[in-house]
Amino acid sequence: DSGVTQTPKHLITATGQRVTLRCSPRSGDLSVYWYQQSLDQGLQFLIQYYNGEERAKGNILERFSAQQFPDLHSELNLSSLELGDSALYFCASSPGPDRGKLFFGSGTQLSVL
Amino acid sequence: KNEVEQSPQNLTAQEGEFITINCSYSVGISALHWLQQHPGGGIVSLFMLSSGKKKHGRLIATINIQEKHSSLHITASHPRDSAVYICAVRGQGAQKLVFGQGTRLTINP
Repeated sequence: DSGVTQTPKHLITATGQRVTLRCSPRSGDLSVYWYQQSLDQGLQFLIQYYNGEERAKGNILERFSAQQFPDLHSELNLSSLELGDSALYFCASSPGPDRGKLFFGSGTQLSVL
Repeated sequence: KNEVEQSPQNLTAQEGEFITINCSYSVGISALHWLQQHPGGGIVSLFMLSSGKKKHGRLIATINIQEKHSSLHITASHPRDSAVYICAVRGQGAQKLVFGQGTRLTINP
């Protein structure tokens, strides 16, 4: 058990809908990272938050947004969903902003039908 | 050409064999990560290294900064080592990780 909790584990929705993925980092970790894993693209970095502030942005679509709350949990919001958004979404946490081992959650499998 | 290239893409071996997975990258880095992803999908961080060599149990990771190359070795491989192994690098001054495409390892009993 990594100590990182992601909910829900599975999500099935329709095109055009909006969903929210939730992540609770390991106790004491201030950084939260979101990654997308699809069959054709592999793992891709979406966005990082550190202590409530956006730290780095990767290949995140404008239809996607995220935030980190004062209790350090994070949410990834995906809107106007398309078939191509179907993927495994991982959250990871680490103690510091730019270094240290990453601890991954078990992922949320999103299926857009 | 991807920033991070892994080889081989697929590897099948017999239990007990010594396994080597390679990772080459094209940019200067501050750190390299080796990750393991089991068939159930969960990802575990095995190593983070910026120089030299690290060992944990039957796993050994090495990195050669000058040659921009890292290897992950598994000694006395076991069927439970069957997984996808992913190399990821953090560029110097960068926050994001760039991932290799993964190496699918299958160890047969």
